[in-house]
Amino acid sequence: DTGVSQNPRHKITKRGQNVTFRCDPISEHNRLYWYRQTLGQGPEFLTYFQNEAQLEKSRLLSDRFSAERPKGSFSTLEIQRTEQGDSAMYLCASTKYKTATNEKLFFGSGTQLSVL
Amino acid sequence: GQNIDQPTEMTATEGAIVQINCTYQTSGFNGLFWYQQHAGEAPTFLSYNVLDGLEEKGRFSSFLSRSKGYSYLLLKELQMKDSASYLCAVRTGANNLFFGTGTRLTVIP
Repeated sequence: DTGVSQNPRHKITKRGQNVTFRCDPISEHNRLYWYRQTLGQGPEFLTYFQNEAQLEKSRLLSDRFSAERPKGSFSTLEIQRTEQGDSAMYLCASTKYKTATNEKLFFGSGTQLSVL
Repeated sequence: GQNIDQPTEMTATEGAIVQINCTYQTSGFNGLFWYQQHAGEAPTFLSYNVLDGLEEKGRFSSFLSRSKGYSYLLLKELQMKDSASYLCAVRTGANNLFFGTGTRLTVIP
């Protein structure tokens, strides 16, 4: 069990460019979440998957954001035409969900995005 | 929408007890979590409540009142390493997890 892995750790890009982040969850974890966090704030929900199905997407998420989890294992989050307001830490978390019990999330170390 | 409120900052003295409150209004409720987050690090799980009452785990305890939409995290015998942000998170009826803005706790000697 190597934990949740996110790549890259840091990404600097120019406004208008596209970026893609990857998350590898803990093996056999069927649920995967994406959150965004800015300094001094709590994680803001973006979207989550159960296996390969995207079950919910935040209404605050613009159509420039898209996420996939094609084989129910790793996931990618793409931001198109980045804006300076997209600068944040993007956190991925996973869990083994069975029923609504105490299934805690395990977070990765995040990808810090800076849009210049 | 989901509304989860916590104080922004708190300061407490080493060895003391501190209580961090959380109130919530969400679309459904399937449990409340507390996470700890040190600066520059990922959040880590502290506690979980789904029924009313107090859950104790070492120096940390968490309380829930579902009828009041209220929880608190109690930290005893504070240590300097407890300086961190404490995040209250609610699992909604749709089994999603929403976080509050977090309470930044500073422990002073």
